Amino acid sequence: EAQVTQNPRYLITVTGKKLTVTCSQNMNHEYMSWYRQDPGLGLRQIYYSMNVEVTDKGDVPEGYKVSRKEKRNFPLILESPSPNQTSLYFCASSLDFPWGQTNYEQYFGPGTRLTVT
Amino acid sequence: DAKTTQPPSMDCAEGRAANLPCNHSTISGNEYVYWYRQIHSQGPQYIIHGLKNNETNEMASLIITEDRKSSTLILPHATLRDTAVYYCIAYYGGATNKLIFGTGTLLAVQP
Repeated sequence: EAQVTQNPRYLITVTGKKLTVTCSQNMNHEYMSWYRQDPGLGLRQIYYSMNVEVTDKGDVPEGYKVSRKEKRNFPLILESPSPNQTSLYFCASSLDFPWGQTNYEQYFGPGTRLTVT
Repeated sequence: DAKTTQPPSMDCAEGRAANLPCNHSTISGNEYVYWYRQIHSQGPQYIIHGLKNNETNEMASLIITEDRKSSTLILPHATLRDTAVYYCIAYYGGATNKLIFGTGTLLAVQP
């Protein structure tokens, strides 16, 4: 089954304790992206990757890192989490860039609810 | 400033058409407008996309104004299962060079 998986689905942690949220897709997609969702602010892009070893900042990259060593995986790293990073996080992938002169539908993972105390 | 704007909420009676508007005032002529929906806190799901012409698929219709500054998603016969948050997304080129999501419209379909 074609899907985007994220782990963990729920995480409660403390300020400053490094964490990684994994994202994996089995569709051989080139493009992957991380979003955070907060009440009243909708979905905001954190980082995206157009291909292996190619990543770029989205709207709200501060406090996050990503890597794309393999095509299928795109982990989100919080080196020193803070309470303002408490949010619902989504990973997404698409065949190619989801903009421009062709349409590439983004497939979203189920979300990771992170609480930083 | 590039911005994708949507009303925060709308109501619709079951069986009636739901028309959800979106303003994307500064997109160029070559980029698509996308609509996704999110039920509860699940991952958003693709509904439809369009460039210049009106589009229709099994889920919805999309009308884009000729100047491309706004679009309307139409669910022709809304059901209770269509209650969700609907996101309009547009790509802004040039110096902006990014996808911008609207803040979403919560559509409440009433029985």
